[in-house]
Amino acid sequence: SSELTQDPAVSVALGQTVRITCQGDSLRSYYASWYQQKPGQAPVLVIYGKNNRPSGIPDRFSGSSSGNTASLTITGAQAEDEADYYCNSRDSSGNPTYVFGTGTKVTVL
Amino acid sequence: EVQLVESGGGLVQPGGSLRLSCAASGFTFSSYWMSWVRQAPGKGLEWVANIKQDGSEKYYVDSVKGRFTISRDNAKNSLYLQMNSLRAEDTAVYYCARLGRGDLESYYFDYWGQGTLVTVSS
Repeated sequence: SSELTQDPAVSVALGQTVRITCQGDSLRSYYASWYQQKPGQAPVLVIYGKNNRPSGIPDRFSGSSSGNTASLTITGAQAEDEADYYCNSRDSSGNPTYVFGTGTKVTVL
Repeated sequence: EVQLVESGGGLVQPGGSLRLSCAASGFTFSSYWMSWVRQAPGKGLEWVANIKQDGSEKYYVDSVKGRFTISRDNAKNSLYLQMNSLRAEDTAVYYCARLGRGDLESYYFDYWGQGTLVTVSS
């Protein structure tokens, strides 16, 4: 099955920009989706498809993709953006199975 | 408002069984693939299983094949996960999630329940 690799942790100064990356072969075939998870809470979808935000997600969140790498960018990070972020994509095996990335802890300084 | 509410978690001994339920509301349940995703304590998310709208197709992560069974009852707007031969490594919060599909090859879990904790321990 596919694997999606993320950096374990990144930090960003308040109001600055941070990019989180996700690498995996399945991303050559399928778009990534991105999830924010705060302690003790369920994950929340923040980006899907080419660069789509669900209703209620601030426009400081954006997504992009190139080759086997997907990226989530937070432009003007806020204190409430401190959380774990996971990427996900459909597995490239051909069946509708899915894989999550290893997760990135974002700390806002 | 879309709502997914899981239930059925608890403490079970290794080798035991448990059945999780997810009650869905606020959308046409029978129109969506549905999934179970789990998260072991202090660990990342892991996709577990999903099921097609009419229940005709089911897929599982390798680690639960032959032990877990996903099912649904569209008349009751409910999703289930029957878990047998449970192991310590199955200990996790189990989330029910709706699988959405966008343009081109875009798939995503757009709504999640609050999760139910399964603890496998003697």
